[in-house]
Amino acid sequence: EVQLVESGGGLVKPGGSLRLSCAASGFSFSSHSMNWVRQAPGKGLQWVSSISSSRTYIYYADSVKGRFTISRDHAKNSLYLQMNSLRAEDTAVYYCARDAIGVIAPFDYWGQGTLVTVSS
Amino acid sequence: QSALSQPPSASGSPGQSVTISCTGTSSDVGDYDFVSWYQQHPGKAPKLIIFEVNKRPSGVPDRFSGSKSGNTASLTVSGLQAEDEAGYYCTSYAGNNIPWVFGGGTKLTVL
Repeated sequence: EVQLVESGGGLVKPGGSLRLSCAASGFSFSSHSMNWVRQAPGKGLQWVSSISSSRTYIYYADSVKGRFTISRDHAKNSLYLQMNSLRAEDTAVYYCARDAIGVIAPFDYWGQGTLVTVSS
Repeated sequence: QSALSQPPSASGSPGQSVTISCTGTSSDVGDYDFVSWYQQHPGKAPKLIIFEVNKRPSGVPDRFSGSKSGNTASLTVSGLQAEDEAGYYCTSYAGNNIPWVFGGGTKLTVL
C-alpha cells in the first residue's frame, strides 16, 4: 500500500525556517518524481515544488523560489522541503504528492499533510 | 503563472448531472492534454479522479468524466450522489519552468 506521511510542520516566526519531511513507503520511491503542494486555510491548492526521480529536474513556484529547497534521499525513502525566510503567506497545510509513472504525470497519491503556521 | 479559473460553487440534486469548468490559456490548458481533476472532502487529502483530460484512475466511478475544448476543460459528474459533495480542483501542465498550475477550486453541493 502506498503511504506518504508528512512531518515537521509547526508554528514559526516570520523570517524563520522549517524543514518538512515526507516518508514514503509501499512503492519504489526512487522511480517517481515527487511534489509539494500547499493549501492555505480555507483556500485552494497551490503547487509549490517538484523534483524528478533522478534529481535532475527541480522546479519551484515563483512565490517560493530562492527561499525553499526541495530534496530527496533514496536511502531513506524520504522527500524534504527546506523552507527559509518564511512569511505569513506561507501559512498552509503542506502536502507531499507522488507523480504517477510517465513523462508528465498526475499526482496519484497524496499524504495527509502537515500544517505550517507563520506568525509572531 | 496565473491560476486556472473555476466557478467557486456548483450544485445539483441527487441523480442530476453537473459540469464544472476550468479555464486557462493557450500556454497551459490549450496547449497540453495534461489536465487533471482532484476531489477533496473537508479535512482530507485531495484524490485524483481524472487525468490526461478524460482518463479515470482505477476505482473512480464512471459517473466522473472529463473533456476539453480550446482553453477550457470540464468535469462532469453524472448521477449525483451525496458523497460527491466536495471541493474539486483542476490542474494543468504549463511547461518546463512552472510545470503545474491549479484552479481555484469549486465547491460542489448536493442539494
